[in-house]
Amino acid sequence: GAVVSQHPSWVICKSGTSVKIECRSLDFQATTMFWYRQFPKQSLMLMATSNEGSKATYEQGVEKDKFLINHASLTLSTLTVTSAHPEDSSFYICSAESNGPKDQPQHFGDGTRLSIL
Amino acid sequence: DAKTTQPTSMDCAEGRAANLPCNHSTISGNEYVYWYRQIHSQGPQYIIHGLKNNETNEMASLIITEDRKSSTLILPHATLRDTAVYYCINNAGNMLTFGGGTRLMVKP
Repeated sequence: GAVVSQHPSWVICKSGTSVKIECRSLDFQATTMFWYRQFPKQSLMLMATSNEGSKATYEQGVEKDKFLINHASLTLSTLTVTSAHPEDSSFYICSAESNGPKDQPQHFGDGTRLSIL
Repeated sequence: DAKTTQPTSMDCAEGRAANLPCNHSTISGNEYVYWYRQIHSQGPQYIIHGLKNNETNEMASLIITEDRKSSTLILPHATLRDTAVYYCINNAGNMLTFGGGTRLMVKP
């Protein structure tokens, strides 16, 4: 089945640094990928929709200059949290849109737990 | 905003059937009902989906009422590994809006 790989799975860094998270579709091409954020004991909230070869579409309230998204190929999207601060600590999850038979709309990665000290 | 409502939490005894309800009274005619689950510290995992007919796969069964305003996910023989948050989502395209889900606790 379709596999989405997310890397790293866990990262700790100092306040003020930038962190890049990668999302790869391993056995299929994904024109569209999605980035979600999940705080403890809360549901997933969509941050942005990433489209290959074009600018990402951000949800209301998400700072596009802080959360940089690049989708340069059909198998890779990256999310860079710039100048990260403790309030950016969260669980970030990516997904890729299915482009085959519609068994499910999106295939999810296993998430990246980001901790900013 | 999510268009479904689910109980916040449920308990189930190991080996028994877990029946998770979902209300989607405003569902449109072309919208499917999808169920995902999220085990702690992992990404969501697809379980099953349906349009109007009942569905069954190796993981679960999905019962959709005739008026399509509600559905029930059935895990026939719950195990401890089924402890997770279960999300019911209805949509017509590839966008998914997650509500609060139901936190299912399977107990020995």
